[in-house]
Amino acid sequence: ELKVEQNPLFLSMQEGKNYTIYCNYSTTSDRLYWYRQDPGKSLESLFVLLSNGAVKQEGRLMASLDTKARLSTLHITAAVHDLSATYFCAVVPRQSNFGNEKLTFGTGTRLTIIP
Amino acid sequence: NAGVTQTPKFRILKIGQSMTLQCTQDMNHNYMYWYRQDPGMGLKLIYYSVGAGITDKGEVPNGYNVSRSTTEDFPLRLELAAPSQTSVYFCASRLKLAGVYEQYFGPGTRLTVT
Repeated sequence: ELKVEQNPLFLSMQEGKNYTIYCNYSTTSDRLYWYRQDPGKSLESLFVLLSNGAVKQEGRLMASLDTKARLSTLHITAAVHDLSATYFCAVVPRQSNFGNEKLTFGTGTRLTIIP
Repeated sequence: NAGVTQTPKFRILKIGQSMTLQCTQDMNHNYMYWYRQDPGMGLKLIYYSVGAGITDKGEVPNGYNVSRSTTEDFPLRLELAAPSQTSVYFCASRLKLAGVYEQYFGPGTRLTVT
C-alpha cells in the first residue's frame, strides 16, 4: 500500500522567511503533484513533477522531486500572507496506467503566514 | 466551460437516509473521480470511471455506489448514510495540459450525517 507522508503538518511562519515542506512516499513513483487548498475551497493544482531531478518554480514557490530518495520538497521563499493555505502532495505509483492517475494524497501541511 | 460542477454544496442527512451527490463536467473528459476529505486529512479515492459505462473502486468504496451513463455525469450514491460518511466530497475530471495529465477538482459537497 502506498503511503504518502508530509511534514510538518502545521507550520506557522513570519512574512519574509523561507521554509520547506517535505513529502515522502513509500513506493516507486515518478509522478508527483502539489496542490493548494484554501479553507472551505477546492484544490488548486500548483506543480506536476514527472522525473527525477525535476524542479518547477512559480513565484515564491519551488517544488523538486528526488525519485531515488522518494522525496519531494516545496520551498517557500520570502513568505507573504497570501501563501497561507493547506498544501498537499499527491503521488501516482509507477505501476499505474499513465492515463489513470489514481492519486494518493498526503495529509497536508497547514501553512499560516504571520504578518 | 463551467468546468466540474457539484450539487448540492451542503447537505445534512439523518442516519439511514439515502442521497445522490451530483457531478457534471462539460469538457468531454473521459476520466472522472470521486474523493472524500475528512477534517484535517488528505483526499481518499472512492470510485473512478474511465468512460461511460465503466467504473471501478478506489481506496474507500464501502457504503457508496456510482454509475456513469454519460460522459458528462458521474453521480455518487449513498444508500444508508452513516456518521462515518460525514465528510467533504470532491469530484474531479482528468484533463491534459501541455502534454501532462492533471485532475481538475469541483467545488465540493459538504455532507453531515447525524
